[in-house]
Amino acid sequence: QKEVEQDPGPLSVPEGAIVSLNCTYSNSAFQYFMWYRQYSRKGPELLMYTYSSGNKEDGRFTAQVDKSSKYISLFIRDSQPSDSATYLCASGGYSGGGADGLTFGKGTHLIIQP
Amino acid sequence: DTGVSQDPRHKITKRGQNVTFRCDPISEHNRLYWYRQTLGQGPEFLTYFQNEAQLEKSRLLSDRFSAERPKGSFSTLEIQRTEQGDSAMYLCASSGAVQETQYFGPGTRLLVL
Repeated sequence: QKEVEQDPGPLSVPEGAIVSLNCTYSNSAFQYFMWYRQYSRKGPELLMYTYSSGNKEDGRFTAQVDKSSKYISLFIRDSQPSDSATYLCASGGYSGGGADGLTFGKGTHLIIQP
Repeated sequence: DTGVSQDPRHKITKRGQNVTFRCDPISEHNRLYWYRQTLGQGPEFLTYFQNEAQLEKSRLLSDRFSAERPKGSFSTLEIQRTEQGDSAMYLCASSGAVQETQYFGPGTRLLVL
């Protein structure tokens, strides 16, 4: 079992819909949680990050973490065709040197239909 | 552009050759990470540096791989005796005062024939 599980999709929704993207993780040592957006043949772009359970909102994006169930979500409101991309969830912990390398899910391919 | 830069962006090589990639992090970011991403997968962590010290290496980083960051600024990743299985996107990321937030470069796409 991978430490971070994510449905690869594709997930196709009409423009304007609310999108829900989800991940689960298994490593209890993970302390921070990130969402990246990656367009084809580009590097991942940091969208949001959070350290604790609860919600964090930034514009049309809301990140949600439930540490008790090890569940991570990203919600996108008023989805636009330009939101079509692969969304990667990632988690990380700490060792003696500080913040570790991130563990990523496979990514969910999102398609917003005009 | 003050983001993470990587060079070259694309590299085609023959099996058995050595290749070297360069990463320039965001200015004043003291942590630098290397990842590998294959088609349909998320990035996989390889190694990271704090300043010039290499602090962690993944078991994915075989003996054929070596990374350096000699002056705590740019970093190089060398792959010796390349194999077809090394074909992937090699990504570099850096972080600064907020260690957890890693910013990625555009990647170097390697194809081993």
